[in-house]
Amino acid sequence: EAQVTQNPRYLITVTGKKLTVTCSQNMNHEYMSWYRQDPGLGLRQIYYSMNVEVTDKGDVPEGYKVSRKEKRNFPLILESPSPNQTSLYFCASSLRAGKSSGNTIYFGEGSWLTVV
Amino acid sequence: QKEVEQNSGPLSVPEGAIASLNCTYSDRGSQSFFWYRQYSGKSPELIMFIYSNGDKEDGRFTAQLNKASQYVSLLIRDSQPSDSATYLCAVISSGSARQLTFGSGTQLTVLP
Repeated sequence: EAQVTQNPRYLITVTGKKLTVTCSQNMNHEYMSWYRQDPGLGLRQIYYSMNVEVTDKGDVPEGYKVSRKEKRNFPLILESPSPNQTSLYFCASSLRAGKSSGNTIYFGEGSWLTVV
Repeated sequence: QKEVEQNSGPLSVPEGAIASLNCTYSDRGSQSFFWYRQYSGKSPELIMFIYSNGDKEDGRFTAQLNKASQYVSLLIRDSQPSDSATYLCAVISSGSARQLTFGSGTQLTVLP
């Protein structure tokens, strides 16, 4: 079954304690990205990756890091989480960049993160 | 200025009616347009995409694109209570490396 898997799904953590949200896809997709969703603001892109070892900033990258050492994995790292990073996070992937109809974006189920 | 704008709603329609959801975008060079449906607490799911001016129909859904007016809409015919969700408009802008920009979403409620 084609899927994007995120972990953890739910996490409460304290300010300053480093955490990593993992993301894995089993579709051999080249393109992966991270979004955060906040009330009234919709989905905002944090980082994206066009392929292995190729990453770039999205609209709201501050306070986040990513890496793409393998094609299937794209972890999101919060080195020193702060309360304003409390949000719902989605990982997404697609076959490749571009507007082709084959490039459906698949979303993970989301990770609810609370920083206190 | 927001790149992709939607009325946040909530929009309420009676069961069986046509629901009309609207979206405007600021980048005139935008190429690809998507509508996602998101149930509360769930991930977005793609319901329609459109690239060319005009209408595109898929079952009860019709996407309409007018690039001159920088406007894309989604019509849902014969609305059902199960259509109650937040609908997200998304746009891939010109020159972008697959940077999909989302609107803030319109909350739709279909009343039985």
